[in-house]
Amino acid sequence: EPEVTQTPSHQVTQMGQEVILRCVPISNHLYFYWYRQILGQKVEFLVSFYNNEISEKSEIFDDQFSVERPDGSNFTLKIRSTKLEDSAMYFCASAAESNTEAFFGQGTRLTVV
Amino acid sequence: DQQVKQNSPSLSVQEGRISILNCDYTNSMFDYFLWYKKYPAEGPTFLISISSIKDKNEDGRFTVFLNKSAKHLSLHIVPSQPGDSAVYFCAASDLGNTPLVFGKGTRLSVIA
Repeated sequence: EPEVTQTPSHQVTQMGQEVILRCVPISNHLYFYWYRQILGQKVEFLVSFYNNEISEKSEIFDDQFSVERPDGSNFTLKIRSTKLEDSAMYFCASAAESNTEAFFGQGTRLTVV
Repeated sequence: DQQVKQNSPSLSVQEGRISILNCDYTNSMFDYFLWYKKYPAEGPTFLISISSIKDKNEDGRFTVFLNKSAKHLSLHIVPSQPGDSAVYFCAASDLGNTPLVFGKGTRLSVIA
């Protein structure tokens, strides 16, 4: 069964460093998303991506964040200068259409120290 | 601003009985609702969905009910099994025009 895969599963980084979280969405999906979940809190939307551009982003997704689909299969989230409060589980998701269910990856646990 | 609310953080049910998980929403533009299940250290897994043109959708042991006038939906699991123990998230969107908005989740424990 097709699935969304994310790497790495766990990333530890020092405050101020750049991190890139990688995702391979389901191959025939066109809509891509990043969500995050801070420990003990709800799953929060970060950004959606369609047709090689950001279609929507939340207040969380500030200038420190960027997304890219560099090669038609990977979908990456970059955090330029990590802060302690960026520590969270980051989930990538993809959907075939905008009004269908999104399928989530296993998540990357980002720990900023 | 919680547009999607799951007011019960946890629920315990005996194996074989019915589990009822509730969700309320405030945004009247929402017209597509989903339930996701999440195990520890895994991503949310899609369970079942319902669009606003229906008031019930059933898939095996899982049934979702939608009451648009009350802005309320519920997930029924019957019979509940120990493997159903997980956190259940309610999510909603506006026909794909908005990204999914999640509730805080309800932790279901099914006791053998």
